[in-house]
Amino acid sequence: EPEVTQTPSHQVTQMGQEVILRCVPISNHLYFYWYRQILGQKVEFLVSFYNNEISEKSEIFDDQFSVERPDGSNFTLKIRSTKLEDSAMYFCASNLDSQETQYFGPGTRLLVL
Amino acid sequence: AQRVTQPEKLLSVFKGAPVELKCNYSYSGSPELFWYVQYSRQRLQLLLRHISRESIKGFTADLNKGETSFHLKKPFAQEEDSAMYYCALKGNFNKFYFGSGTKLNVKP
Repeated sequence: EPEVTQTPSHQVTQMGQEVILRCVPISNHLYFYWYRQILGQKVEFLVSFYNNEISEKSEIFDDQFSVERPDGSNFTLKIRSTKLEDSAMYFCASNLDSQETQYFGPGTRLLVL
Repeated sequence: AQRVTQPEKLLSVFKGAPVELKCNYSYSGSPELFWYVQYSRQRLQLLLRHISRESIKGFTADLNKGETSFHLKKPFAQEEDSAMYYCALKGNFNKFYFGSGTKLNVKP
């Protein structure tokens, strides 16, 4: 069964550095999402993406965040200048139809020192 | 404002006992509710959604609009049910609002 994949599984970075988290959605899916989960807290929506543009973003998704689908298979989340509070698990999700359930990747655990 | 509340952080039951994981929501429109499960070291995966009215792995959940609840139930818990369970509400633009999760621990 096809799955959403994410790389890396873990990332450690210094505060102020840029990070790019990568996701490969299920191949025929058209809608893509990023969520994050700070340790001990709930999963929070960051952004949804369709037809090469952001369709919705949360208040968390400020100017230091950006998303891109550079090559038709990858879906990336860039954090321009990381802060300590960006440390979290980041989940990518996708679905074929926006009305269908979202399929989640295994997550990338980001630690900002 | 959209919100999903799971009041219990941890629920411990013995194998064979009934289990109910509580979920309450607030949403101004017509809600679409889901339960996701995350087994140890695995990804979030859909357990069930209210519109399909299925029973998955013996779990059921009924949407109660009057009480704004979507509690997850299973009559006889199994050890392999031990996991984190997240209630989620799908809002506008397919944004999912997740509850904080309930860790279910089924003891032998």
